[in-house]
Amino acid sequence: ETGVTQTPRHLVMGMTNKKSLKCEQHLGHNAMYWYKQSAKKPLELMFVYSLEERVENNSVPSRFSPECPNSSHLFLHLHTLQPEDSALYLCASSQGGTQGYEQYFGPGTRLTVT
Amino acid sequence: AQTVTQSQPEMSVQEAETVTLSCTYDTSESDYYLFWYKQPPSRQMILVIRQEAYKQQNATENRFSVNFQKAAKSFSLKISDSQLGDAAMYFCAHEGAQKLVFGQGTRLTINP
Repeated sequence: ETGVTQTPRHLVMGMTNKKSLKCEQHLGHNAMYWYKQSAKKPLELMFVYSLEERVENNSVPSRFSPECPNSSHLFLHLHTLQPEDSALYLCASSQGGTQGYEQYFGPGTRLTVT
Repeated sequence: AQTVTQSQPEMSVQEAETVTLSCTYDTSESDYYLFWYKQPPSRQMILVIRQEAYKQQNATENRFSVNFQKAAKSFSLKISDSQLGDAAMYFCAHEGAQKLVFGQGTRLTINP
């Protein structure tokens, strides 16, 4: 078990619901990430936060809204999602934002949009 | 744009044998890093091995080693003495320009 936790582990939501995914890292890292993992597609980087500031937004639809209140916590707020948003959402953290640092991943939240 | 290609969606190997997973990438960066990550079934993704592009020597970690061919933009992973616990999805990744890009993954099955 790594030092990155994610809650909930499974989430089923309707297209009109609003929900939030939570990620917490206990490793003292400065950078945190959200990825989307869909079947038969490469892992897609969604957002990067370094020292609590967003440094990368990979053209993600506005129905996904990230929040990083401090270096240990990262949220992904979801609203009016589409069925194609169903996927495994992975959180990761690293000591720094670049320079070859290893990323430590959480177990993911399996999201199903109905 | 950076791209990473893993041409083998699935591979299988007999326990104790050696297997090589392929990865090619495209980049305009001169300084970058390459990684292999492993995602076991229902378990968290973990780093297997890392290579710095400016280092010519291939990285090794116990039974895991890479064949890094910079000119060919190739970065294959060799697993020696395969064990049942090596069964997983393996992802090749390239880091450059402050961004980590993953390949599609290769599902490795170990046959007892």
